Amino acid sequence: DTAVSQTPKYLVTQMGNDKSIKCEQNLGHDTMYWYKQDSKKFLKIMFSYNNKELIINETVPNRFSPKSPDKAHLNLHINSLELGDSAVYFCASSRDKFYEQYFGPGTRLTVT
Amino acid sequence: EDQVTQSPEALRLQEGESSSLNCSYTVSGLRGLFWYRQDPGKGPEFLFTLYSAGEEKEKERLKATLTKKESFLHITAPKPEDSATYLCAVQAASSGNTGKLIFGQGTTLQVKP
Repeated sequence: DTAVSQTPKYLVTQMGNDKSIKCEQNLGHDTMYWYKQDSKKFLKIMFSYNNKELIINETVPNRFSPKSPDKAHLNLHINSLELGDSAVYFCASSRDKFYEQYFGPGTRLTVT
Repeated sequence: EDQVTQSPEALRLQEGESSSLNCSYTVSGLRGLFWYRQDPGKGPEFLFTLYSAGEEKEKERLKATLTKKESFLHITAPKPEDSATYLCAVQAASSGNTGKLIFGQGTTLQVKP
């Protein structure tokens, strides 16, 4: 019973391509997040949706666009991929905005 | 600016050798402090939430404590399976109604048998 799942696990692509990462949670949570973890393991929030409403939109290039079709799903679309986008992207969810967050297994994105 | 700093960056212990990890924070109003464990190639796993100074929480060999400026994660008689990166994160009042977490850079713990 995977609580927060992400696909794909690994993504290798060339500069300039467009790619998407999908996230699903089966915990019945209201809030979902996207994080980026760089090579130094530093975890930084990118976006958050609460009840399908965007509530956190950090300073992220507008090539990154989140989409929440329903409360259980949050996808991340990235246009015109750049070398610097290489990182591990984590999806997370929480019961509500102020509760502990549960993370997915991550998607390792490599841009060549 | 809200900030979270963890120390040490890396810690090597012998099995059974107790120690503590530190998380110092500078925030304008603490809403909550969270500890996570992250194994290589996996997502962070939630351990504890602390809300006010003096609060303590325990789970097996781990005990988390909180003061007005820092939190400690005490590891008693660690085993090799406790090897992981431990992440600290805070929710600050300055983040308004978003619940945004600010993470520290983590402490990588290695426990040798």
